[in-house]
Amino acid sequence: GAVVSQHPSRVICKSGTSVKIECRSLDFQATTMFWYRQFPKQSLMLMATSNEGSKATYEQGVEKDKFLINHASLTLSTLTVTSAHPEDSSFYICSARKPRYGYTFGSGTRLTVV
Amino acid sequence: DAKTTQPTSMDCAEGRAANLPCNHSTISGNEYVYWYRQIHSQGPQYIIHGLKNNETNEMASLIITEDRKSSTLILPHATLRDTAVYYCIVRVGDNQGGKLIFGQGTELSVKP
Repeated sequence: GAVVSQHPSRVICKSGTSVKIECRSLDFQATTMFWYRQFPKQSLMLMATSNEGSKATYEQGVEKDKFLINHASLTLSTLTVTSAHPEDSSFYICSARKPRYGYTFGSGTRLTVV
Repeated sequence: DAKTTQPTSMDCAEGRAANLPCNHSTISGNEYVYWYRQIHSQGPQYIIHGLKNNETNEMASLIITEDRKSSTLILPHATLRDTAVYYCIVRVGDNQGGKLIFGQGTELSVKP
């Protein structure tokens, strides 16, 4: 199979603090992972492509200094929301691609900034 | 910048086939069509994908027109648990680095 684990599933943080979200491929190695965000009643919006051992590629309009992505190993990518504000509250979802299995998504992280 | 068009919502009676259409008229020759679904507050679940031939698996069938400008996802016997948002996606990019850009999807409601 192809399993992607995301942690935490839910986090509440104070405005101005940073939050780290982890995405792990449990039974395969993923050279490429993807990060999405989703607002209520909207579709998923691709934020960035995370490449193992190199810099992430951000989609147009996504602040790279705000959303730090680190892909230090073939099974782990992290997204850090820096200096979070209430408008960053959203559902964040990661994805990884395993050849012949397609793209597998994590279960998502609900971030609430208060 | 999504490359697909889907109806916003559809209803289907439980036990009947659900046929979800998707238009992707600008698809390129080497771009795959993927279908995912998302149940509220969960990550998207893979359903099926194809290039130009029709595909079938344990979940669904994918019918792609000969000109590849549209496709239909068929859930042969819809159940209440199939109620979800269904996304038709054209993969953008090359084989290993390709990314999935989601459109608005179709909200399918399966009714008793």
